[in-house]
Amino acid sequence: DADVTQTPRNRITKTGKRIMLECSQTKGHDRMYWYRQDPGLGLRLIYYSFDVKDINKGEISDGYSVSRQAQAKFSLSLESAIPNQTALYFCATSDIEQREQFFGPGTRLTVL
Amino acid sequence: AQSVTQLGSHVSVSEGALVLLRCNYSSSVPPYLFWYVQYPNQGLQLLLKYTTGATLVKGINGFEAEFKKSETSFHLTKPSAHMSDAAEYFCAVSDSGGYQKVTFGTGTKLQVIP
Repeated sequence: DADVTQTPRNRITKTGKRIMLECSQTKGHDRMYWYRQDPGLGLRLIYYSFDVKDINKGEISDGYSVSRQAQAKFSLSLESAIPNQTALYFCATSDIEQREQFFGPGTRLTVL
Repeated sequence: AQSVTQLGSHVSVSEGALVLLRCNYSSSVPPYLFWYVQYPNQGLQLLLKYTTGATLVKGINGFEAEFKKSETSFHLTKPSAHMSDAAEYFCAVSDSGGYQKVTFGTGTKLQVIP
């Protein structure tokens, strides 16, 4: 079973709709992250959380919100989706000792 | 502030040839450095990392990278390319403090020509 799972894997929606992307992990890590990937731009950090009570904005948080429901769950919401939020979204986890990040398989979101 | 520059968004090599993917970083504190690989329709997975100690780091699938502080570089190499190496490669830098914020480069797509 995958250590970091994301649902849905693909989603097509319309402008103005509210969308939630979910991430779950079984790695036992405290730290979780949301990134978006766009061609030629690499990965950009949207939000990150160091534990259930700690939520921080990344470099491109406008238009997004997050919820850390439990150590294992970190959700990303688009309150009112717009076409330029069409992208590949990744959830990741890390622990303070190992440093590397472990990524989910991604959610491909298309906003029409 | 930290940043990563990957030279060349696309690199093509022949099967069996040397692979060299370039990465330069900037960091105000001693960095931790990473290379990740992304195969089509998959998430990123770690190839190798440098934290402290030996500057030549060996990773999975025959890849290695050398941390050169004087050149602020962390280039990725593999002596002989395989078709299965075709993927996108990302260099990343993290601060060595407790915050661990990671900054990724824009990626290099590696094409391996038979």
